[in-house]
Amino acid sequence: RKEVEQDPGPFNVPEGATVAFNCTYSNSASQSFFWYRQDCRKEPKLLMSVYSSGNEDGRFTAQLNRASQYISLLIRDSKLSDSATYLCAVYNQGGKLIFGQGTELSVKP
Amino acid sequence: NAGVTQTPKFQVLKTGQSMTLQCAQDMNHEYMSWYRQDPGMGLRLIHYSVGAGITDQGEVPNGYNVSRSTTEDFPLRLLSAAPSQTSVYFCASSYRTGRSEQFFGPGTRLTVL
Repeated sequence: RKEVEQDPGPFNVPEGATVAFNCTYSNSASQSFFWYRQDCRKEPKLLMSVYSSGNEDGRFTAQLNRASQYISLLIRDSKLSDSATYLCAVYNQGGKLIFGQGTELSVKP
Repeated sequence: NAGVTQTPKFQVLKTGQSMTLQCAQDMNHEYMSWYRQDPGMGLRLIHYSVGAGITDQGEVPNGYNVSRSTTEDFPLRLLSAAPSQTSVYFCASSYRTGRSEQFFGPGTRLTVL
């Protein structure tokens, strides 16, 4: 079992929809959490960090549930430009940043 | 700043050949790492380094060597290429450990025949 797991999708949603992704992690000592965005055949880029209190950046909201060991990403009012693969990443005490498999999102007109 | 640079962009090898993937960053980042990305597998950590002279293994280190003689450079060596190493390889760096934002290079697409 991978240390960090995501539903690979694809998620096909219409413009304007709200979509949520979850990511589970197995190491309870994990310290930091992130969501990255990757466009087709490009390098991943940081979308947002995930804080214990949850955080919001415009249409994007990230939350952390330490008790159940998962993080989530909510995208409201989806745009065509949101189509991409979303990768969660978890930093462990040993110094490793581990990524999930990625969730593919396709927003249709 | 050029950020994180990787060379080559594309490479085709024959089974058994060796080669080095180059990675350099000009942001004075302490933490550097190598990932491979295969369809449906996400990014898998190969090796990482928390500073010059220090390296450690990630999730899938077998068949790869690294060294970190300078802060700027973190080359990845394939000792004897195998078809299973066909992948896209990304180098990343961050200011301090994996807690900080990772900046990725553009990737190297490697095919082993």
